[in-house]
Amino acid sequence: QVQLQESGPGLVKPSQTLSLTCTVSGGSISSGSYYWSWIRQPAGKGLEWIGRIYTSGSTNYNPSLKSRVTISVDTSKNQFSLKLSSVTAADTAVYYCARALPDSSGYYYETNWGQGTLVTVSS
Amino acid sequence: SYELTQPPSVSVSPGQTARITCSGDALPKKYAYWYQQKSGQAPVLVIYEDSKRPSGIPERFSGSSSGTMATLTISGAQVEDEADYYCYSTDSSGNHVVFGGGTKLTVL
Repeated sequence: QVQLQESGPGLVKPSQTLSLTCTVSGGSISSGSYYWSWIRQPAGKGLEWIGRIYTSGSTNYNPSLKSRVTISVDTSKNQFSLKLSSVTAADTAVYYCARALPDSSGYYYETNWGQGTLVTVSS
Repeated sequence: SYELTQPPSVSVSPGQTARITCSGDALPKKYAYWYQQKSGQAPVLVIYEDSKRPSGIPERFSGSSSGTMATLTISGAQVEDEADYYCYSTDSSGNHVVFGGGTKLTVL
């Protein structure tokens, strides 16, 4: 059973770049037809889909965050990463990584999730 | 931008049937998914492709979709089903993924 674990700084200063890594265990990140996703959730609020990456490097981002988001994959380390630039307090949230599987129509949905990591944007 | 609309809250007594709705213009053409999130935990998929139940999810959880509305039904809701429930889908292009605003289910 694949497991995902987020890691990275818990505190980021405003205007800086938030960087998180998701380590995948229990399977190779490059095997199978999977996308690897990031989702976030501000305290007391709903889920917001950030984006995802295929192991080929193909990406799909939330249009509202696209100008600030970069998702990359490192198959040698079995990891994928999130970078969010020019952060503000509004980016304070629990960030989740997840694996996305294809449905019968060929579109993807998130199945396995990490436990989440809290990132606070504050000076 | 595309939106999925859910009621903020639903409340039922134990043993009753809980129904949580999700409306979206693209739902006639796109599948709906449902996630359960208990306090302090990561979301868990409870329904995929409108009505399919992942392994390990109790049979009391079911899903349906008709027109622009998808519905999560919990038949005989139990206290342990108290959680936030989120619907999830894509816009008509399939490129933009969205979550609904979430519905807090209270069972008491």
